[in-house]
Amino acid sequence: EAGVVQSPRYKIIEKKQPVAFWCNPISGHNTLYWYLQNLGQGPELLIRYENEEAVDDSQLPKDRFSAERLKGVDSTLKIQPAELGDSAVYLCASSPGGFETDTQYFGPGTRLTVL
Amino acid sequence: SQQGEEDPQALSIQEGENATMNCSYKTSINNLQWYRQNSGRGLVHLILIRSNEREKHSGRLRVTLDTSKKSSSLLITASRAADTASYFCATEGTGFQKLVFGTGTRLLVSP
Repeated sequence: EAGVVQSPRYKIIEKKQPVAFWCNPISGHNTLYWYLQNLGQGPELLIRYENEEAVDDSQLPKDRFSAERLKGVDSTLKIQPAELGDSAVYLCASSPGGFETDTQYFGPGTRLTVL
Repeated sequence: SQQGEEDPQALSIQEGENATMNCSYKTSINNLQWYRQNSGRGLVHLILIRSNEREKHSGRLRVTLDTSKKSSSLLITASRAADTASYFCATEGTGFQKLVFGTGTRLLVSP
């Protein structure tokens, strides 16, 4: 079974530029998560999708961050414009969904460096 | 915001020794999970313990949960160099499925 796929793995951009990250969850997983992980810290949830609906985006900085999950499968996270403080690893995770407590399966992440 | 605080922040041991990491959290939980993250790689789920459980085992891993003290511990027995990684506890609060991660313990196992 293929795991969660993320691309790109690394991205270096200059501040004020836009950037986008892509995530393909495990097949059949209805729930998709985007996390931000700063160096030396644990991941922090940015947004959670149940199918194509964003059910928790309270931690997403909506002035510059946006996300979408078309057709309830792949998802894209965008930052526009990027700031120096956005340098971090962006992790995508998926879980089967439903009412049972789920294990989350994480992708390898995208390491973003903003210069 | 980080809910859990892991202790110690860093741990260095020799192969064959046991490693114990602790996690404290602040609010009521449905369950507590432990994840491992190798350098430059994604997180891997290790074990989940529910709020009504006190101890759980999986291979060389043993997790305990004390909800009265809002704390958990992860014991890795007979450690190996391949266990070198950061270990995070994550709590799922009551009423929703959001996982809140701690700050992690960095474990170094030397051959």
